[in-house]
Amino acid sequence: ETGVTQTPRHLVMGMTNKKSLKCEQHLGHNAMYWYKQSAKKPLELMFVYNFKEQTENNSVPSRFSPECPNSSHLFLHLHTLQPEDSALYLCASSQAGIATDTQYFGPGTRLTVL
Amino acid sequence: DQQVKQNSPSLSVQEGRISILNCDYTNSMFDYFLWYKKYPAEGPTFLISISSIKDKNEDGRFTVFLNKSAKHLSLHIVPSQPGDSAVYFCAARTGNNRKLIWGLGTSLAVNP
Repeated sequence: ETGVTQTPRHLVMGMTNKKSLKCEQHLGHNAMYWYKQSAKKPLELMFVYNFKEQTENNSVPSRFSPECPNSSHLFLHLHTLQPEDSALYLCASSQAGIATDTQYFGPGTRLTVL
Repeated sequence: DQQVKQNSPSLSVQEGRISILNCDYTNSMFDYFLWYKKYPAEGPTFLISISSIKDKNEDGRFTVFLNKSAKHLSLHIVPSQPGDSAVYFCAARTGNNRKLIWGLGTSLAVNP
């Protein structure tokens, strides 16, 4: 595997379900991100992890719970979601500490909440 | 209130011609700008970037121009190829803040 991978690619869940999204980066980066892309809205940054420590939480509801066990893996645990949480969830990674700090994205998980 | 605006949702050009994608921003503190492109069912892919200390950056067929006084940047693709058909996102950030502010994207169609 190369780059940034995300599983599953598609997920349909009910409002009472608990599910998790997984992201893995094979680039040796030390920063990882969760983004949400809703229809007709710009990409919204949700969480940032730098060296496994969460450095940013953009007022994300607690029904979204991130976990970063190491610099290569990032999870987004989902519980009691709402239909308006249906969106494309993108994971990204970058090498923090360098000027350009370009973010590399995974293919995303298309989430539908019924 | 969107800080990064891509006012054209779509653009269509002929193969071989120039594609010009525009982006306007409101925050004068932005000092680094990036363009990403996105194919369907894939995540955004970094294309080219420019620091606010420059007014032009070129990489092969892709050139980004920055006009700080107008708070405007543009991406030129020449010559355009059918494989360039994708959604192009403009993004910006300030200093060491890792948070990127994104535009809504422009869907480019390059017709053979």
